[in-house]
Amino acid sequence: ETGVTQSPTHLIKTRGQQVTLRCSSQSGHNTVSWYQQALGQGPQFIFQYYREEENGRGNFPPRFSGLQFPNYSSELNVNALELDDSALYLCASSLDRERDEKLFFGSGTQLSVL
Amino acid sequence: DAKTTQPPSMDCAEGRAANLPCNHSTISGNEYVYWYRQIHSQGPQYIIHGLKNNETNEMASLIITEDRKSSTLILPHATLRDTAVYYCIVRSSNTGNQFYFGTGTSLTVIP
Repeated sequence: ETGVTQSPTHLIKTRGQQVTLRCSSQSGHNTVSWYQQALGQGPQFIFQYYREEENGRGNFPPRFSGLQFPNYSSELNVNALELDDSALYLCASSLDRERDEKLFFGSGTQLSVL
Repeated sequence: DAKTTQPPSMDCAEGRAANLPCNHSTISGNEYVYWYRQIHSQGPQYIIHGLKNNETNEMASLIITEDRKSSTLILPHATLRDTAVYYCIVRSSNTGNQFYFGTGTSLTVIP
């Protein structure tokens, strides 16, 4: 059983560029969530995908968008990057959307916007 | 959405029990309490979760008060590798079951 994997591990972009981050969910999991973690803060929920459809969204602008593919892997896209987008981006997968379901996190992508 | 309150930092001697408190006074009846920890900006690692009853697994014990307004995570024999930021989370049932992380408790295990 493979865990949650994210790529790339580190990324440097400049303001105004666009970025795509990728996540492979744990084997058998059909739900993927993305979180943003700024330095010194707890992770903040961006959105969740369940069976290829967005299933919930946090307080993030539309330039944060995502996709989930038939194999349940996922992408996070951020357009028009801003300096404040510099953060650790975490992907988490779970078996389903149940109230007591556990999230399994990847190691994250560290994004730096210059 | 239920929020949690945790002390920002705690110390614990190696080999002793670490007791990490959490307040969640606005928790709803069907919302679970989860604990995760994060080491060196890696992804958060699941520790334990519960609804009403106390829970125990190979990593820790979770004690939830009868009114469910607070809980305590217990690491029975803390080691240096338990040094991490510990997050107490109440999982919202209203908005896609998202996890609301606070700023957590930074636990330092001292040799």
